[in-house]
Amino acid sequence: DARVTQTPRHKVTEMGQEVTMRCQPILGHNTVFWYRQTMMQGLELLAYFRNRAPLDDSGMPKDRFSAEMPDATLATLKIQPSEPRDSAVYFCASVWGQGLSNYGYTFGSGTRLTVV
Amino acid sequence: KNQVEQSPQSLIILEGKNCTLQCNYTVSPFSNLRWYKQDTGRGPVSLTIMTFSENTKSNGRYTATLDADTKQSSLHITASQLSDSASYICVVSSVGGRSGGGADGLTFGKGTHLIIQP
Repeated sequence: DARVTQTPRHKVTEMGQEVTMRCQPILGHNTVFWYRQTMMQGLELLAYFRNRAPLDDSGMPKDRFSAEMPDATLATLKIQPSEPRDSAVYFCASVWGQGLSNYGYTFGSGTRLTVV
Repeated sequence: KNQVEQSPQSLIILEGKNCTLQCNYTVSPFSNLRWYKQDTGRGPVSLTIMTFSENTKSNGRYTATLDADTKQSSLHITASQLSDSASYICVVSSVGGRSGGGADGLTFGKGTHLIIQP
């Protein structure tokens, strides 16, 4: 089965440290999303790319978060400096084309981030 | 603002019993509605997707219904199994771009946490 691969699966870090999360989308998918999930807020969109170009990052705190897609097989989400309120599960998802009506919208298993 | 509300927030039932999860939405214009299952420690996995013209769709023991007039959907689980314990997330797509909720018009509910007890 094709899958979205995220690394690391778990990350514990101290406040103020830099955190980088990685995502390998499904080969051939040209749209990649980053979501954050907490118990209180559910799934929230942080940013997404199409054909490696950033389309929307309005959900991200710009002063500390950055998302990039250096090539078609890798998307990164970086937090610098990290804060305890960033503790959450971060999901990557990929799809071909627009996310509106596409059946092939696939999530990775997530990175569970704990900032102490 | 487009919203998706799910109920109940959590539910505990005995193995073998049936249950129904609810999803009410205020998303316009509507494109489709999806139900996802999210196991603990995993990403969401799609169960069903329904467009405006579909009012029921099944996937094994899961049956989703959609009433586009009242903007309500339900997910019915028949003969529950321990492996059905998970969160179930309702997601509504809007036509024509951002709906105020997510990428390309996706609005997520906060999910129903279902626990099946032996």
